[in-house]
Amino acid sequence: QQQVKQSPQSLIVQKGGISIINCAYENTAFDYFPWYQQFPGKGPALLIAIRPDVSEKKEGRFTISFNKSAKQFSLHIMDSQPGDSATYFCAATFKNQGGKLIFGQGTELSVKP
Amino acid sequence: DTEVTQTPKHLVMGMTNKKSLKCEQHMGHRAMYWYKQKAKKPPELMFVYSYEKLSINESVPSRFSPECPNSSLLNLHLHALQPEDSALYLCASSQPTSGANEQFFGPGTRLTVL
Repeated sequence: QQQVKQSPQSLIVQKGGISIINCAYENTAFDYFPWYQQFPGKGPALLIAIRPDVSEKKEGRFTISFNKSAKQFSLHIMDSQPGDSATYFCAATFKNQGGKLIFGQGTELSVKP
Repeated sequence: DTEVTQTPKHLVMGMTNKKSLKCEQHMGHRAMYWYKQKAKKPPELMFVYSYEKLSINESVPSRFSPECPNSSLLNLHLHALQPEDSALYLCASSQPTSGANEQFFGPGTRLTVL
């Protein structure tokens, strides 16, 4: 019940295309869903996050869509660029978790020029 | 300053060595974390300090010993490690009361145990 399932494992997108990464969870107590971007040899960087009282959040080319009833959320990267090539992790947590993030398994995104 | 710094960047040690990893943040965060990350895997939580007190230990072997000397610093002391402990060790920090749990990660220390 503590798992977050992420798909696909890897994704290849052409420059200018839309990258879509999906995550699903079981624990309805989760109340905070961040996405992290990680480049090789670097630490994860917080990209965008959403709470379940909002169905969509957009920051620049990055959008999170949230479907509370389906217990799913997804990251959309519009106009994908080669510089977006990285590993993306979704995560979930809730208050009283003591700060523990439950991470998905990650998606390796490659944007081809 | 929204940065978490970690030293050293790389560390190679033998199984009988004792070494320490260091982490520092100046964002005023009162929660700090150690994670271990293997290649192509998500970070795995090891320890959480909240207000300089250990609040979570994810059943980590005693050869890893965390220390939080003050609200800005976090250390991870290493002793008698095994080759399977080779990984990227990440430090993160957040405000424990924010509710949002926005964790900021450092660049990590790449540890190789020979």
